[in-house]
Amino acid sequence: EAQVTQNPRYLITVTGKKLTVTCSQNMNHEYMSWYRQDPGLGLRQIYYSMNVEVTDKGDVPEGYKVSRKEKRNFPLILESPSPNQTSLYFCASRPVGQVGEQYFGPGTRLTVT
Amino acid sequence: AQSVTQLDSQVPVFEEAPVELRCNYSSSVSVYLFWYVQYPNQGLQLLLKYLSGSTLVKGINGFEAEFNKSQTSFHLRKPSVHISDTAEYFCAVIEAAGNKLTFGGGTRVLVKP
Repeated sequence: EAQVTQNPRYLITVTGKKLTVTCSQNMNHEYMSWYRQDPGLGLRQIYYSMNVEVTDKGDVPEGYKVSRKEKRNFPLILESPSPNQTSLYFCASRPVGQVGEQYFGPGTRLTVT
Repeated sequence: AQSVTQLDSQVPVFEEAPVELRCNYSSSVSVYLFWYVQYPNQGLQLLLKYLSGSTLVKGINGFEAEFNKSQTSFHLRKPSVHISDTAEYFCAVIEAAGNKLTFGGGTRVLVKP
């Protein structure tokens, strides 16, 4: 089954404790992206990657890191999480030639206390 | 840079009644437009998209949307809603030559029996 998977689905952590949210897709998509969803703000892009070893900042990159060492994986790293990073996070992917339509993972709900 | 405004944050509607969700966008160049739906505790899935051609586009689950270039709008409609249409709906835009998908703030639809 074609899908985007994220782990973990739920995470409660404390301020300053480094964490990684994994994202993997099995559709051989070049483009991958991370979003955060906050009430009333919709989805805002954190980082995106056009292909392996090619990443760029989205609208809200502060406090986040990403890497793209393999085509299928695009982990999101929070080196020192803070309470304002409490949010619902989505990973998405698409083929580079397919404009706009993205395939979303199920989401990761992160709470930083 | 493009932006998207969804004019209603919440829309309560009775079962079998029609619903319209409003979306306006701003961009100085040609754009592609999308509506995504997010059911409770799930990721986003594509409802419909406008890339070119007919300004009336039909999507899944009986939804349709009309692209109005002069009014920079892309309103979503369904003539008769079901309880299962209870969800949050997101309008999104991408510039024709761009890589960034920008989302509106979302509209929560609550269908009442």
